[in-house]
Amino acid sequence: DAGVIQSPRHEVTEMGQEVTLRCKPISGHDYLFWYRQTMMRGLELLIYFNNNVPIDDSGMPEDRFSAKMPNASFSTLKIQPSEPRDSAVYFCASSLHPRTGELFFGEGSRLTVL
Amino acid sequence: GDSVTQMEGPVTLSEEAFLTINCTYTATGYPSLFWYVQYPGEGLQLLLKATKADDKGSNKGFEATYRKETTSFHLEKGSVQVSDSAVYFCALTDSNYQLIWGAGTKLIIKP
Repeated sequence: DAGVIQSPRHEVTEMGQEVTLRCKPISGHDYLFWYRQTMMRGLELLIYFNNNVPIDDSGMPEDRFSAKMPNASFSTLKIQPSEPRDSAVYFCASSLHPRTGELFFGEGSRLTVL
Repeated sequence: GDSVTQMEGPVTLSEEAFLTINCTYTATGYPSLFWYVQYPGEGLQLLLKATKADDKGSNKGFEATYRKETTSFHLEKGSVQVSDSAVYFCALTDSNYQLIWGAGTKLIIKP
């Protein structure tokens, strides 16, 4: 069975440009999470969805960030406009239910904003 | 609020050495505890877990015991290999079932 699939794996862009990161969760998983990982701040939860509905977006840093889940098999994280401080690895993860504590992570999207 | 504290890295060991990575937690309820591992260039993956006091989680030669009296969940392995080089994250689920993460400990194993 395929795991969580993220694209692109690497993205280099210039400040001010729009960035869209994509995620396909594991089929049958009702929960989807977006995380950001940096050396300085570690692993941060940005937002999570249950059955395609955003449940908690309190971790989204500011209005430049937005996330959608139009259906059970696809989610996007968009940054517009991007800034150098957004440079990080962005992970998508999916889960049957958070009570299990078992999240399945994608390989991440490494974003560099110049 | 709930929190997880891990020993700072990097931890550097020689192959076949004994490994301990310390993890302590603060929680208001009775959390489940987890160790995740992140190999270079990959996402995190669950290594082991324990859901109640005195439970021992184990996988791939790694073990950790849920110690309520010391609020600890230390990761151990008897003989490490170069392939164990990775970043290890301790975590707990809070009362809302959200994962609270430690900062991660980088492990470097030298041949």
